[in-house]
Amino acid sequence: GQNIDQPTEMTATEGAIVQINCTYQTSGFNGLFWYQQHAGEAPTFLSYNVLDGLEEKGRFSSFLSRSKGYSYLLLKELQMKDSASYLCAVRAFYGGATNKLIFGTGTLLAVQP
Amino acid sequence: EAQVTQNPRYLITVTGKKLTVTCSQNMNHEYMSWYRQDPGLGLRQIYYSMNVEVTDKGDVPEGYKVSRKEKRNFPLILESPSPNQTSLYFCASSSGSHSGANVLTFGAGSRLTVL
Repeated sequence: GQNIDQPTEMTATEGAIVQINCTYQTSGFNGLFWYQQHAGEAPTFLSYNVLDGLEEKGRFSSFLSRSKGYSYLLLKELQMKDSASYLCAVRAFYGGATNKLIFGTGTLLAVQP
Repeated sequence: EAQVTQNPRYLITVTGKKLTVTCSQNMNHEYMSWYRQDPGLGLRQIYYSMNVEVTDKGDVPEGYKVSRKEKRNFPLILESPSPNQTSLYFCASSSGSHSGANVLTFGAGSRLTVL
């Protein structure tokens, strides 16, 4: 089966660093995505990892360890506008020519002054 | 502007009254998909389409139909809506029909209430 776990909620302080973890169990792993979703809005793409290691994009970085089934999203220099849900999504190869994207339930991050 | 447009954004309807939520993308994407989002359950895939005339069930297809007659459009049809289909619906698209979902671009969402 497929399973993705991430914390339900987190709180952090403006200007600080926060790490949001995601663990997964899946067969046919073929990449991991992070999306940001503000309340009442559509998810927007943040990052993508398919190989082990760290991908950095400005204040956001994402890490992947395929052997451990583990990823994290690191947000630096937190701003109030970073208050949002962060969705971990795993792409898995289902045979033939099809990849399937499975979303976790999301981590609601609250940034406090 | 590259975007996915879905309508209506908000709809309140009654049990059994057929409705269609439209979805259109202007990025020439092969892959399109419908998701529903419910508290505590995250985004769950309803149906997806790898290209024109190619559609397949996702994880929660019961009570829904789709069609893909043109590349840009992927409507979601609820033939006989029931209260358990009250949800927030997202249409999404990406390039790459041969590999399935790549980076998804989402529509703004359609909040549906079935009384």
